[in-house]
Amino acid sequence: GENVEQHPSTLSVQEGDSAVIKCTYSDSASNYFPWYKQELGKRPQLIIDIRSNVGEKKDQRIAVTLNKTAKHFSLHITETQPEDSAVYFCAAGNQAGTALIFGKGTTLSVSS
Amino acid sequence: EPEVTQTPSHQVTQMGQEVILRCVPISNHLYFYWYRQILGQKVEFLVSFYNNEISEKSEIFDDQFSVERPDGSNFTLKIRSTKLEDSAMYFCASSFSGLAKNIQYFGAGTRLSVL
Repeated sequence: GENVEQHPSTLSVQEGDSAVIKCTYSDSASNYFPWYKQELGKRPQLIIDIRSNVGEKKDQRIAVTLNKTAKHFSLHITETQPEDSAVYFCAAGNQAGTALIFGKGTTLSVSS
Repeated sequence: EPEVTQTPSHQVTQMGQEVILRCVPISNHLYFYWYRQILGQKVEFLVSFYNNEISEKSEIFDDQFSVERPDGSNFTLKIRSTKLEDSAMYFCASSFSGLAKNIQYFGAGTRLSVL
């Protein structure tokens, strides 16, 4: 089955810096890659996703890149702000509307 | 904005007891899911449900677990005889159809504590 690895497990940056979180997946059939942000005690919130037919997607300060050949995808946050502090999870799935397989999460801390 | 709602927010039970966790998916969604998250760990898939039947389940979803859509709005997860290791946050999720069917929206979760 699918296995998703996520690095780093913790990331500390200064406000205004960029943050990059990387994930790899194992199942070449996966073609949907969402990123969720989870604040303490709250639900995972979808922040951006990418499908296998594109290599990059951007939404304001957040971007995701996908390399299908290497089976890895990354989340890029620019101009980080303290409110970006949270746990970020990557996930992989396919278009059958079935399971999302999550990475172990990255705890991002943005200090002002 | 429509949200997935889950009740209760916290459920405390004794080991061996049955629990039912309830979810109301977003109204026009067709796919429903349960995930769990043990404290400090990743979100793990349990089961997906479509057209009134299970479409996929993980190894975690053994005979102690069952799901049901008892009416047009609720989606439930039952654990027949709870174990200490069932203590976790349980998230319900739902998704629509077509190209959007893999965009899953999560509820706020039910924290299950098994004593």
